[in-house]
Amino acid sequence: NAGVMQNPRHLVRRRGQEARLRCSPMKGHSHVYWYRQLPEEGLKFMVYLQKENIIDESGMPKERFSAEFPKEGPSILRIQQVVRGDSAAYFCASSPTIYNSPLHFGNGTRLTVT
Amino acid sequence: GQQLNQSPQSMFIQEGEDVSMNCTSSSIFNTWLWYKQDPGEGPVLLIALYKAGELTSNGRLTAQFGITRKDSFLNISASIPSDVGIYFCAGHNYGQNFVFGPGTRLSVLP
Repeated sequence: NAGVMQNPRHLVRRRGQEARLRCSPMKGHSHVYWYRQLPEEGLKFMVYLQKENIIDESGMPKERFSAEFPKEGPSILRIQQVVRGDSAAYFCASSPTIYNSPLHFGNGTRLTVT
Repeated sequence: GQQLNQSPQSMFIQEGEDVSMNCTSSSIFNTWLWYKQDPGEGPVLLIALYKAGELTSNGRLTAQFGITRKDSFLNISASIPSDVGIYFCAGHNYGQNFVFGPGTRLSVLP
């Protein structure tokens, strides 16, 4: 009965390093969404993926950020050459391929860039 | 793009009081969702609404899908300390992305 699993829960990176955030959706879910949240702010949409396809990446910065959801394995959000402004909580959510099914969220990865 | 407004932005209430908050949009949605986020955790789904006019309860929580399909309301009765958190509404149309409101921050005073 596992929910959406994200790891790591906390990630510290120095400026210029790469950050890799992983998300395993709930069993039976084939849609994955990534959101970013700054302290005291709401959820900002980044990207929506289905298996092997990016459906909507309109919220993702054009540079340094990429996401994938391979046929096998978790979805990965990758941030290259991190900067201090990338420090935030990154949440993954999943849903099944059923009309209007709600999103189920993981507990997030808190990225700190030093 | 589509945007949701939530009011109030924050509220401080006494334990035992009832709470009302709402979510409005300039666009029509086919689904309204309410989530609660505790500090350091991910949002948890509270109630999902699928039909205009629908009124749904989950324990002390009651939510309604506005008849115009452009708004939704969430009520919490007899608040308790563990109700503290951020409440987010979200609207959705099939084939489109989920749109989240900025949240209502609830504090409960003992």
